[in-house]
Amino acid sequence: GAVVSQHPSWVICKSGTSVKIECRSLDFQATTMFWYRQFPKQSLMLMATSNEGSKATYEQGVEKDKFLINHASLTLSTLTVTSAHPEDSSFYICSAMTGLETQYFGPGTRLLVL
Amino acid sequence: GQNIDQPTEMTATEGAIVQINCTYQTSGFNGLFWYQQHAGEAPTFLSYNVLDGLEEKGRFSSFLSRSKGYSYLLLKELQMKDSASYLCSQGDNAGNMLTFGGGTRLMVKP
Repeated sequence: GAVVSQHPSWVICKSGTSVKIECRSLDFQATTMFWYRQFPKQSLMLMATSNEGSKATYEQGVEKDKFLINHASLTLSTLTVTSAHPEDSSFYICSAMTGLETQYFGPGTRLLVL
Repeated sequence: GQNIDQPTEMTATEGAIVQINCTYQTSGFNGLFWYQQHAGEAPTFLSYNVLDGLEEKGRFSSFLSRSKGYSYLLLKELQMKDSASYLCSQGDNAGNMLTFGGGTRLMVKP
C-alpha cells in the first residue's frame, strides 16, 4: 500500500524558533498533500491543501505567514512553523493523495514548544 | 461548511458487535471515509463509500445512504485492540479535501 513518512516524529524547540516538518510519499507521486493539526482528544483540523508547484490553499483562520508550506516535488511537502510559541504545540499530520480518492496519512509529528 | 455528526463515546464488550453512526450534509458530497485512530497515532484508512449500500471488509463493514446523508461503521467480533477513535470524514468535490467529524471513542471491555 501507499506509504507516507514524516520527519521528524518528535520535536522540542524553544519559543521563537522555527521548525520544519517534512512529509514524503515513499512509493507514489502525490499531486496533492494535506496538512492537519490535532489537539489532544480533538478531531483533526485541516490546515492547508498543498499542490505541487503552486501555492498552498489555507483554511480560514490559519496564518499562512506563520505556517509556511512548500510542495516542491511530487513526493515532498514541507511545513515550517515560524517563530513557534507554546500554543503551537500540537500533533501535525500530513496526508497524500495518489490521484484516487483515498488519502494516506503520515505517522504525524509531535511538536512541543517550550 | 460541512457538518458531520457522530457519537462522542461508545462502550462495547469483547466479541460483540458495535455500530458507529455518522450523519453528514449531502451538499457537495464526494465520498464518505472511515478512519481508525489509536491514541497518539495518525489515522489509518478503513473504508471509502461513494455508492449506497454495505461494503464488507473482514470484521469491518461500512454502510452508506446518500439520500439520507447517513453512514455507519459496523465492527464485528470486537477485540481489545479495536479500542480507538473512529473518524467519519467526508470528501468534497473540490479536490477531495476531507472534513472530519469529532470522532467516536470506542472502548472495548473484557
